[in-house]
Amino acid sequence: AQKITQTQPGMFVQEKEAVTLDCTYDTSDPSYGLFWYKQPSSGEMIFLIYQGSYDQQNATEGRYSLNFQKARKSANLVISASQLGDSAMYFCAMREALNQFYFGTGTSLTVIP
Amino acid sequence: DVKVTQSSRYLVKRTGEKVFLECVQDMDHENMFWYRQDPGLGLRLIYFSYDVKMKEKGDIPEGYSVSREKKERFSLILESASTNQTSMYLCASRPGGASSYNEQFFGPGTRLTVL
Repeated sequence: AQKITQTQPGMFVQEKEAVTLDCTYDTSDPSYGLFWYKQPSSGEMIFLIYQGSYDQQNATEGRYSLNFQKARKSANLVISASQLGDSAMYFCAMREALNQFYFGTGTSLTVIP
Repeated sequence: DVKVTQSSRYLVKRTGEKVFLECVQDMDHENMFWYRQDPGLGLRLIYFSYDVKMKEKGDIPEGYSVSREKKERFSLILESASTNQTSMYLCASRPGGASSYNEQFFGPGTRLTVL
């Protein structure tokens, strides 16, 4: 079974609108971390936001927030007030108790002016 | 700032050549990782290392080997390059410890083409 599932290969959003990128995960470890990364066309991976499995509140970082629903094993990324510079690939990732990270297949986001 | 550097941004090699991809990090991180990234497949872990001279296989180790002789350097080796190893290769590092926090810090990637 896939550890991380991103079901949206591509998404479009109007500039200044909010967009939600979906991520579901699969783990039996009680302690894990969830991460979102952004990869612009230049190729570098940029860390956006982190959510720990024991965190009670949803993580937020500026215009990014993580909608963490533990019972449903989902960790959706919400980008508010989209900007043209948000156009990129977005990857959801999970770290379990051991060191290994698991990445999803990514969602390509295009922001339309 | 954490810095992870990779020896080349672009590399073109011929089938059967031995290829070395070098990765260096400057933040004294215990853990280092090699991924390959292919369209529609996301990032797949090839190997990782949690200490000098230690290595662990990831999901797709076949056709690759690694070397970690010094803490700051993690090398990926393609013993005999094949066309199906044409890909983007990403190196990453992160601190050690039991905390599930600590994101991975990535290098800029090496786009390898095997002809």
